[in-house]
Amino acid sequence: RKEVEQDPGPFNVPEGATVAFNCTYSNSASQSFFWYRQDCRKEPKLLMSVYSSGNEDGRFTAQLNRASQYISLLIRDSKLSDSATYLCVVNSGGATNKLIFGTGTLLAVQP
Amino acid sequence: DAGITQSPRHKVTETGTPVTLRCHQTENHRYMYWYRQDPGHGLRLIHYSYGVKDTDKGEVSDGYSVSRSKTEDFLLTLESATSSQTSVYFCAISDVGTGRIAQHFGDGTRLSIL
Repeated sequence: RKEVEQDPGPFNVPEGATVAFNCTYSNSASQSFFWYRQDCRKEPKLLMSVYSSGNEDGRFTAQLNRASQYISLLIRDSKLSDSATYLCVVNSGGATNKLIFGTGTLLAVQP
Repeated sequence: DAGITQSPRHKVTETGTPVTLRCHQTENHRYMYWYRQDPGHGLRLIHYSYGVKDTDKGEVSDGYSVSRSKTEDFLLTLESATSSQTSVYFCAISDVGTGRIAQHFGDGTRLSIL
């Protein structure tokens, strides 16, 4: 089982739609969670950290469910500019405490 | 954007040749990382550094070496490049190395080994 799993998509949605991605992680010792955005042939960029209580940044909402070991990202009122790959990132916990990256979910927002 | 510069941005070379990639930061961050990104895989950590002359291996370190002689520079060397090392390489930095804060990435280097 991969340490971080995401549905690769693509998610094809019309402008204005609401779309949600889930990500599961295998290490219950993980303490930190992030969503990154990666445009085609570009570097990953931090979209938002995910806090235990859930957090919102404009049209983006992130949630954490520790019991089920998944995090989610909700995008409301999708824009064409939201088209990108969204990477779920989890820290490994324990002694090594590295960041583990999912393979990403591709979102394509259609006009 | 974080002040991270990778060079070269693109490189094509032949199997068996040595290759060095450079990462330069202007943020004075203590931690620097080298990742590779391949289709079907998330970013995978090659090596990282937690200070000048302090480095450690990541999950895919075979065939790679690193050096950090100054806070701002982190070099990744492929001693004898192989086709399996064709990839996109990203450098990242963070102020703290606990994995509890996000890392910020350079623009990447596209490396092709023929």
